[in-house]
Amino acid sequence: DTGVSQNPRHKITKRGQNVTFRCDPISEHNRLYWYRQTLGQGPEFLTYFQNEAQLEKSRLLSDRFSAERPKGSFSTLEIQRTEQGDSAMYLCASSLGGTGVSPLHFGNGTRLTVT
Amino acid sequence: QKEVEQNSGPLSVPEGAIASLNCTYSDRGSQSFFWYRQYSGKSPELIMFIYSNGDKEDGRFTAQLNKASQYVSLLIRDSQPSDSATYLCAVKGNYGQNFVFGPGTRLSVLP
Repeated sequence: DTGVSQNPRHKITKRGQNVTFRCDPISEHNRLYWYRQTLGQGPEFLTYFQNEAQLEKSRLLSDRFSAERPKGSFSTLEIQRTEQGDSAMYLCASSLGGTGVSPLHFGNGTRLTVT
Repeated sequence: QKEVEQNSGPLSVPEGAIASLNCTYSDRGSQSFFWYRQYSGKSPELIMFIYSNGDKEDGRFTAQLNKASQYVSLLIRDSQPSDSATYLCAVKGNYGQNFVFGPGTRLSVLP
């Protein structure tokens, strides 16, 4: 068990460019979450997958944001036409679905800076 | 109305003291409650969770839950400077699988 892995760790991009982040969850976890966190704030929910199905999306997830989880394994989060307001830490987390309490386990995050 | 509220702090306590962190939530149907610690520039790491009314202890940490008051707290006994971090409260609601986080409380343990 190597934990949740996110790549890249840092991304600097110019406004208007597209960026894509990858998340590899803990292998036995079937639920995968994306959150966004800005300085001084708690993580904000963006979207959640159970296996390959995207079951919930926040209204924060504008049409410039899209997430996929093909085959229910790794996930990608793409931001199109980036804006300076997209600068944040993007956190991926996974959990084991089913009955009982299953907490989130976070990756190290991808820090995005839009210049 | 914010769904999960925490005092932003900073909360300063001397080394060896008890730190008390509080969290309130608005969804009365919330089922489970989580405390995460986040060091500056790092991702959140799970401290403990609670889902039944009362106290739950794990080492120096005690979580307390009062569903009637919609209140959850975290006590840290014998606080150490290494406990200095932001503490995030997260609540899993009755509907869906979304975890809602509070803004976090910044704790500073003074040597």
